Amino acid sequence: GAVVSQHPSWVICKSGTSVKIECRSLDFQATTMFWYRQFPKQSLMLMATSNEGSKATYEQGVEKDKFLINHASLTLSTLTVTSAHPEDSSFYICSAREVLVSNQPQHFGDGTRLSIL
Amino acid sequence: DAKTTQPTSMDCAEGRAANLPCNHSTISGNEYVYWYRQIHSQGPQYIIHGLKNNETNEMASLIITEDRKSSTLILPHATLRDTAVYYCIVRATNYGGSQGNLIFGKGTKLSVKP
Repeated sequence: GAVVSQHPSWVICKSGTSVKIECRSLDFQATTMFWYRQFPKQSLMLMATSNEGSKATYEQGVEKDKFLINHASLTLSTLTVTSAHPEDSSFYICSAREVLVSNQPQHFGDGTRLSIL
Repeated sequence: DAKTTQPTSMDCAEGRAANLPCNHSTISGNEYVYWYRQIHSQGPQYIIHGLKNNETNEMASLIITEDRKSSTLILPHATLRDTAVYYCIVRATNYGGSQGNLIFGKGTKLSVKP
């Protein structure tokens, strides 16, 4: 089945550091990848939609200059949290959908737990 | 995309069938029903999806009412490892590019007890 790999699984870093999270579709090509954020005891909230070869589309309230998204190939999207602060601590999850298959499900990575000290 | 309503929580005895309901009374003709679950501290896991007909796979069965206003996810023999939050989501198929993302509600927290 379709597998989405997310790396790293967890990261702890100091305030002010930039952190990059990778999302890869391992056995399929993904034109579109999605980035979600989940705070404790809450549901997933979509942050942005990443399209291969073009700029990401951000949801209202998500700062594009803080959460940089790059989707350079059909199998890789990256999310960089720039100058991270404690309030950015959260569970970040990516998902991917196979190219040109409209009703196929999105598949999710296992998430990255980010803790900013 | 149409909104869904699910019970906040449910309990199920181990080995019994778990029946998780979902109401989607405003669903449109081109919207599929998707079910995902999220086990604590993991990413959501795809379970099953359907449009009109009932569907079954190795994980679960999906029963969709004839008017498509509601559906039920059935885990035939629940185990302790099925304890998770289950999300019912409806999504249109006629999307492209940046559209068609999944909107997660609060889901149903299923607790399977020994």
